[in-house]
Amino acid sequence: NAGVTQTPKFRVLKTGQSMTLLCAQDMNHEYMYWYRQDPGMGLRLIHYSVGEGTTAKGEVPDGYNVSRLKKQNFLLGLESAAPSQTSVYFCASSYSSASNEQFFGPGTRLTVL
Amino acid sequence: QQQVKQSPQSLIVQKGGISIINCAYENTAFDYFPWYQQFPGKGPALLIAIRPDVSEKKEGRFTISFNKSAKQFSLHIMDSQPGDSATYFCAAKYSGAGSYQLTFGKGTKLSVIP
Repeated sequence: NAGVTQTPKFRVLKTGQSMTLLCAQDMNHEYMYWYRQDPGMGLRLIHYSVGEGTTAKGEVPDGYNVSRLKKQNFLLGLESAAPSQTSVYFCASSYSSASNEQFFGPGTRLTVL
Repeated sequence: QQQVKQSPQSLIVQKGGISIINCAYENTAFDYFPWYQQFPGKGPALLIAIRPDVSEKKEGRFTISFNKSAKQFSLHIMDSQPGDSATYFCAAKYSGAGSYQLTFGKGTKLSVIP
């Protein structure tokens, strides 16, 4: 099993550009999450999904949109990138809320100039 | 409002020493307390976790101590090794129906020097 994979690994954008980050998991997990990690800030939840076709806002959702059209994929979109969105983005998945453990992908480092 | 406070931000320990990282939480509904380990360039990975019905859990050199009345929990790394150098995050979660979010501390960067 590949676990949780993320593409791309690195990306540089100019202010105002858009992009989509792709997360895929092959563990048949119901729940998927997008976090951002900034120095000294820990991991902050952007959006999450409790199943195919559902999404919900996390702690820092502004400027991001998500979609979960297939159970194994969770997409994070930036419609108009801003320098404040420079960060490392992590996707995670878990089997259920009761299982608690979240499995993380390797991350995407995004720089917005 | 930060619900999980972690300290210290960084920690330097000699090889063979004990590393101690502390966390405090505010929400008494939390009932699952994991620690995640993150190496540079990698995603976090679950290291060890505890529920509030026990005061201590040990897995190899890693021990969680839990104080429910003080709303605090800590990670102890015995016989610390250079390979333990990583960033450690504590977290907390309510496991009840409809709750999905892990609340993370801000992380502790541990450096174990030979």
